[in-house]
Amino acid sequence: DQQVKQNSPSLSVQEGRISILNCDYTNSMFDYFLWYKKYPAEGPTFLISISSIKDKNEDGRFTVFLNKSAKHLSLHIVPSQPGDSAVYFCAASDRDDKIIFGKGTRLHILP
Amino acid sequence: DTAVSQTPKYLVTQMGNDKSIKCEQNLGHDTMYWYKQDSKKFLKIMFSYNNKELIINETVPNRFSPKSPDKAHLNLHINSLELGDSAVYFCASSQSGEQFFGPGTRLTVL
Repeated sequence: DQQVKQNSPSLSVQEGRISILNCDYTNSMFDYFLWYKKYPAEGPTFLISISSIKDKNEDGRFTVFLNKSAKHLSLHIVPSQPGDSAVYFCAASDRDDKIIFGKGTRLHILP
Repeated sequence: DTAVSQTPKYLVTQMGNDKSIKCEQNLGHDTMYWYKQDSKKFLKIMFSYNNKELIINETVPNRFSPKSPDKAHLNLHINSLELGDSAVYFCASSQSGEQFFGPGTRLTVL
């Protein structure tokens, strides 16, 4: 039973355009959401997060949107750059501070 | 069916003890990992095994020793536990880029 779902295993976006990565969750007890970025042979690095009391958090080119009623969050990267090519993991946390990860979406930025 | 499982989910122990955390994956993946999550929720890779061979060994204390009896298991043994070892430890497996994480083990050293 996957509590955090990333339904797109891969995504290709032209350099300079907007990349939108999607994530759905099922557990209404989740109150904190995170995005991680992972390059090959490295561990995932924290990218951006959002608390359930907000619906948007922005950090430079990265914006995370949270739609609690739809149990959906998305990561927007604009403009997309070649170095953004990586695997992106969505994760959710509850009050116990345990983190549940999605399976990841591989983003390819095309020249 | 649980793809990546870890036992135990919670582990509370005294300083100086030796403990093990077990990880099993039923996905037939070749590569398995251990990560340590710090207080800021960053994930630091500790070890990676590919077909029972260690391929990444980041600078972790040698009190930590991974053991892979077969491709489906990667256990983490910790000797002489210290207070700073308290963290959540995640196991993961991967194949062809997708990475599946276990539920995590919260280790508390008293």
